[in-house]
Amino acid sequence: DAKTTQPPSMDCAEGRAANLPCNHSTISGNEYVYWYRQIHSQGPQYIIHGLKNNETNEMASLIITEDRKSSTLILPHATLRDTAVYYCIVRVLGSARQLTFGSGTQLTVLP
Amino acid sequence: ETGVTQSPTHLIKTRGQQVTLRCSSQSGHNTVSWYQQALGQGPQFIFQYYREEENGRGNFPPRFSGLQFPNYSSELNVNALELDDSALYLCASSLPLAGGNEQYFGPGTRLTVT
Repeated sequence: DAKTTQPPSMDCAEGRAANLPCNHSTISGNEYVYWYRQIHSQGPQYIIHGLKNNETNEMASLIITEDRKSSTLILPHATLRDTAVYYCIVRVLGSARQLTFGSGTQLTVLP
Repeated sequence: ETGVTQSPTHLIKTRGQQVTLRCSSQSGHNTVSWYQQALGQGPQFIFQYYREEENGRGNFPPRFSGLQFPNYSSELNVNALELDDSALYLCASSLPLAGGNEQYFGPGTRLTVT
């Protein structure tokens, strides 16, 4: 799986959009970008994934650059409950392979 | 739909002892993965079970072993516990070939080795 790079920490004001960047410059053509988050002392939670088109679900939006070397996870209206460590992971779709977690980004939503 | 459950929630063991952690997968999921998460780090893959067979292993010694049962629940066994085995142990279930292959994690078991 390709390596990802994320900032170690970010702050965001409650109610504002949180934009979390991820670099994955060595991504292969068949690798997808996945995002998980981990709220303190809980198991990681799947958020969203995508290949090259922008994706949106009830939790977040995923914007992937045209060259696919970077992406941004957007939480449109951050709440205090969104405070968590966010992990960007690159992997092949449909494989039974494990998730390779990096250090992630600690997002703190401020009141 | 029942989510992934793990037991026990917390556990304290002494160095050299053995421990068994348990995981019940989400309904219909036939693949279970185990991860170790040390304090302040991301989860590290231990191994995965699919249809009761080990289906991939991370960089963990043989004293970490597992089982998957016909109902897809799973156990993680660790022998000869070391202080560095103190961590949050996470179990995740998934369908290996369907959809986005999202893994659904349980709340974890916090193991402390003294």
